[in-house]
Amino acid sequence: EVQLVESGGGLVQPGRSMKLSCAASGFTFNNYDMAWVCQAPKKGLEWVATISYDGSSTYYRDSVKGRFTISRDNAKSTLYLQMDSLRSEDTATYYCARHRGYFDYWGQGVMVTVSS
Amino acid sequence: NIVLTQSPATLSVTPGESVSLSCRASQSISTSIHWYQQKSNESPRLLIKYASQSISGIPSRFSGSGSGTDFTLSINRVESEDFSIYYCQQSYSSLYTFGSGTKLEIK
Repeated sequence: EVQLVESGGGLVQPGRSMKLSCAASGFTFNNYDMAWVCQAPKKGLEWVATISYDGSSTYYRDSVKGRFTISRDNAKSTLYLQMDSLRSEDTATYYCARHRGYFDYWGQGVMVTVSS
Repeated sequence: NIVLTQSPATLSVTPGESVSLSCRASQSISTSIHWYQQKSNESPRLLIKYASQSISGIPSRFSGSGSGTDFTLSINRVESEDFSIYYCQQSYSSLYTFGSGTKLEIK
């Protein structure tokens, strides 16, 4: 059974950093691209970033480019999202998802609140 | 960026009715559209990939159609568990985008 379990969320002040993790199991992690998708409170879904199966390529939405870094450790089957210079508009639930063009498996999500 | 416009924003129906949800792309995207269901306080679930391809474990009452710029998610005879929000998503561009969603609610 495919499982994606996020961790690392919480309350953070504007301008500070936070790192999210996503532990994957039930599939061969290093065969798949992975992504982060976020959802602000009461809002729709927004793709944040994608990393290729081997980590050689990364893609970001414009609003996080230069502030967020997606990475992975295939030996640990773990996906990461380093979020720097956080803004109030980054407040959202962040989902880890397996990415095949479509997102076929999703984690339960982790809440990130950016507030002073 | 490719903009996806979903309509209507809210659809009120009676269980047993059949419905169609629309997703229109700002440019032609072939069949690179995917549909998701999100129930309250849950993670999204993939329903349909590449406009019309079914997903294992998804009830057969869900189907998709369309190509180019106009796409439709159809639900044949809506059941009580189907009342939720539905999103479309495009993968034609590597700047992936979602529609704003259609909320299916009980009339």
